[in-house]
Amino acid sequence: DTGVSQDPRHKITKRGQNVTFRCDPISEHNRLYWYRQTLGQGPEFLTYFQNEAQLEKSRLLSDRFSAERPKGSFSTLEIQRTEQGDSAMYLCASSLGLAGGGEQFFGPGTRLTVL
Amino acid sequence: SQKIEQNSEALNIQEGKTATLTCNYTNYSPAYLQWYRQDPGRGPVFLLLIRENEKEKRKERLKVTFDTTLKQSLFHITASQPADSATYLCALEVNNAGNMLTFGGGTRLMVKP
Repeated sequence: DTGVSQDPRHKITKRGQNVTFRCDPISEHNRLYWYRQTLGQGPEFLTYFQNEAQLEKSRLLSDRFSAERPKGSFSTLEIQRTEQGDSAMYLCASSLGLAGGGEQFFGPGTRLTVL
Repeated sequence: SQKIEQNSEALNIQEGKTATLTCNYTNYSPAYLQWYRQDPGRGPVFLLLIRENEKEKRKERLKVTFDTTLKQSLFHITASQPADSATYLCALEVNNAGNMLTFGGGTRLMVKP
């Protein structure tokens, strides 16, 4: 396993279109996280899964955003009716879900540009 | 309100010197504090984790301190090299929060040869 992968790496779309991103975590990791990062800022938490259950969603995650992890393996993040403010790097991370502090392994990110 | 502050200005140092980066936080009670490195166009990479009951943690040329009274962590890179040039992010993990991380804005480090 070579780490967390994300697809696509870049996405350019027009305002109002829907986009979907995919994340494949490290295979033995049961926790999967989505973050959003804009230029010059640190990543902001969006949501996370423990296996297939979505356990937490940030208030940043408007109802246009939805995430799934259907079989507890890969995850998808969909943004409906994209807006220019959605332009950002979308990062996925996974971890073993240890009770006592957990290193997160990040993917390379998907850079979204909304025109 | 809750804040995690890192120096937003770039830190420029000469090769061989020690780089010291600061992470201050308010209105958090983190159980753990983590430091990550991020290169342009890439995802963050984990460097070190320190627990609330630990004062200091070391790994090779890296050293992290954690002062829960001052609500501050310091991140040191000794004998810095140009390859250490990157953005360094601190992240807080609050206990029982599913290992969710709250990141600071990062500090860009430039090590000049």
